[in-house]
Amino acid sequence: AQSVAQPEDQVNVAEGNPLTVKCTYSVSGNPYLFWYVQYPNRGLQFLLKYITGDNLVKGSYGFEAEFNKSQTSFHLKKPSALVSDSALYFCAVRDRGSGNTGKLIFGQGTTLQVKP
Amino acid sequence: DVKVTQSSRYLVKRTGEKVFLECVQDMDHENMFWYRQDPGLGLRLIYFSYDVKMKEKGDIPEGYSVSREKKERFSLILESASTNQTSMYLCASWGLAYNEQFFGPGTRLTVL
Repeated sequence: AQSVAQPEDQVNVAEGNPLTVKCTYSVSGNPYLFWYVQYPNRGLQFLLKYITGDNLVKGSYGFEAEFNKSQTSFHLKKPSALVSDSALYFCAVRDRGSGNTGKLIFGQGTTLQVKP
Repeated sequence: DVKVTQSSRYLVKRTGEKVFLECVQDMDHENMFWYRQDPGLGLRLIYFSYDVKMKEKGDIPEGYSVSREKKERFSLILESASTNQTSMYLCASWGLAYNEQFFGPGTRLTVL
């Protein structure tokens, strides 16, 4: 069965420090991988995706993520955190073999808290 | 820009009421989704639709139904609302050209 795990409920980091939000996945075939961000009382906003090609994917607001096939991971990173990055982050996966439904499996979410 | 709108940001209903949540997308996307979001549980798929009048159950369809009469509109229906349906409801759409889901702002439903 397909699944996504975000092992940390919350990540705390000081402003200006690098941040990492972890994600591991399990799919039967090759994955499409996504990160979304949710600010309080808002819908999800797309940050970045891995479809194919370079394992390092760059996205919105200075975020990037690295696809690691051997470790089945897709960790979200940013070199220098901002207080405004504080939000709820979701990792999601789609099995390429699932056809064109566009269905995603989401992790449970990780709250990022950036302190001044 | 793709726009997904939901009819209400906040909704308060009483137990036993019939509740309609509406979602509209403006990008002619084929597929639309309804999720429920609860703390610690992430997003759980209730139903999705891959064409007008076509639907498929997601992971937690019990207590919900859906309607898609037009391509741009996907409605979630709670036939008889219960307190355990108090939650944030998110609608999304997906088109082949984008290969990502676009989300609406969400409806926070409280059932008293």
